[in-house]
Amino acid sequence: DTGVSQDPRHKITKRGQNVTFRCDPISEHNRLYWYRQTLGQGPEFLTYFQNEAQLEKSRLLSDRFSAERPKGSFSTLEIQRTEQGDSAMYLCASSLEVGSLSTDTQYFGPGTRLTVL
Amino acid sequence: SQQGEEDPQALSIQEGENATMNCSYKTSINNLQWYRQNSGRGLVHLILIRSNEREKHSGRLRVTLDTSKKSSSLLITASRAADTASYFCFRWTGSYQLTFGKGTKLSVIP
Repeated sequence: DTGVSQDPRHKITKRGQNVTFRCDPISEHNRLYWYRQTLGQGPEFLTYFQNEAQLEKSRLLSDRFSAERPKGSFSTLEIQRTEQGDSAMYLCASSLEVGSLSTDTQYFGPGTRLTVL
Repeated sequence: SQQGEEDPQALSIQEGENATMNCSYKTSINNLQWYRQNSGRGLVHLILIRSNEREKHSGRLRVTLDTSKKSSSLLITASRAADTASYFCFRWTGSYQLTFGKGTKLSVIP
């Protein structure tokens, strides 16, 4: 099964440290999305890519967050100077979009759970 | 912030009963999707309904969409214990914002 994979699955870090997460989408998918989810809430949109281009970044996203998708395949999400409020599940999803502004089915990875001490 | 909400926030039913949950939204959409999330399988896509559709079926799932009221409902018929999960509606709102609601937590009691 070549679904969406994320690495690591769990990350514990101290406040002020930088962390980086990786997402490998389904191979033929051209869109990749990052979300953040806290307990009892729905996923919150962070950013998404069409191939290697970052098309949108949530206004809620701090400048400490940066994402890349250098070759239009895997993506990384980096959080600099982590804060306790960054503790959450970080979800990645991918989809195949052809000539449309609206998303179709997103396939989600298992997530990376970040704990900031 | 998340636009629109699922209702109810929590729902508890007996196995075999039907479960209905609703989703309201504020801006126009091209399509609306429902996802399920449980601890075992993460977030899984269930069904998509486009703005020009009023009803759609998939197995035991029935989704309706009322664009004049900006609302959708998800009906799960003959519920099973395995349906226990959180259910989220998802829509693409303006300015490339992708929005999930807070979800309905469904508990199906065997």
